[in-house]
Amino acid sequence: DTGVSQNPRHKITKRGQNVTFRCDPISEHNRLYWYRQTLGQGPEFLTYFQNEAQLEKSRLLSDRFSAERPKGSFSTLEIQRTEQGDSAMYLCASSLAQGFPNSPLHFGNGTRLTVT
Amino acid sequence: QKEVEQNSGPLSVPEGAIASLNCTYSDRGSQSFFWYRQYSGKSPELIMFIYSNGDKEDGRFTAQLNKASQYVSLLIRDSQPSDSATYLCAVKEDNYGQNFVFGPGTRLSVLP
Repeated sequence: DTGVSQNPRHKITKRGQNVTFRCDPISEHNRLYWYRQTLGQGPEFLTYFQNEAQLEKSRLLSDRFSAERPKGSFSTLEIQRTEQGDSAMYLCASSLAQGFPNSPLHFGNGTRLTVT
Repeated sequence: QKEVEQNSGPLSVPEGAIASLNCTYSDRGSQSFFWYRQYSGKSPELIMFIYSNGDKEDGRFTAQLNKASQYVSLLIRDSQPSDSATYLCAVKEDNYGQNFVFGPGTRLSVLP
């Protein structure tokens, strides 16, 4: 069991730069989620995919954020024109959707973004 | 706006005591409930999930669900210092979609 893999583990960037994160889910999982977490808060939902289809995106998500999951395997999350408020831990999680009950989320180790 | 609320703590208990963590949720349509443990600087890891009203036990952990009161709790028996972490409650609306909504977490400190 290789688990959910995220890269990079840490990213430091200057304000205004673009960044891209990658997530490789557990191989048999067809759902992939992106969350953002800041200190002292619970994970905040950003978006999720079932296979290659992006089924839901948070209304709070800026247009600067975009996610893809080509071919229903790995996913990328891109943040354009980063701002200091984007500094957070970006968590990827996957689950298996197959009727009742759905499996829980399994998280990767996260990518910590610092925008200077 | 679906909300999940938890007491942020910190909740301090002596080693060997029972720790009781509580969570309330706003959406009556919620069907699935999860408890995650998160150590500082690490990602959340699943402890338990519960779907039906009542109690569910797994080792030292017991999850309790009361859908009428929109309340879910986690009891940790014989608390150990290694249980010191933030405990996140997550709620899912149904089993065929939708995202998992997390509470802010309760920080637990088990004192030796």
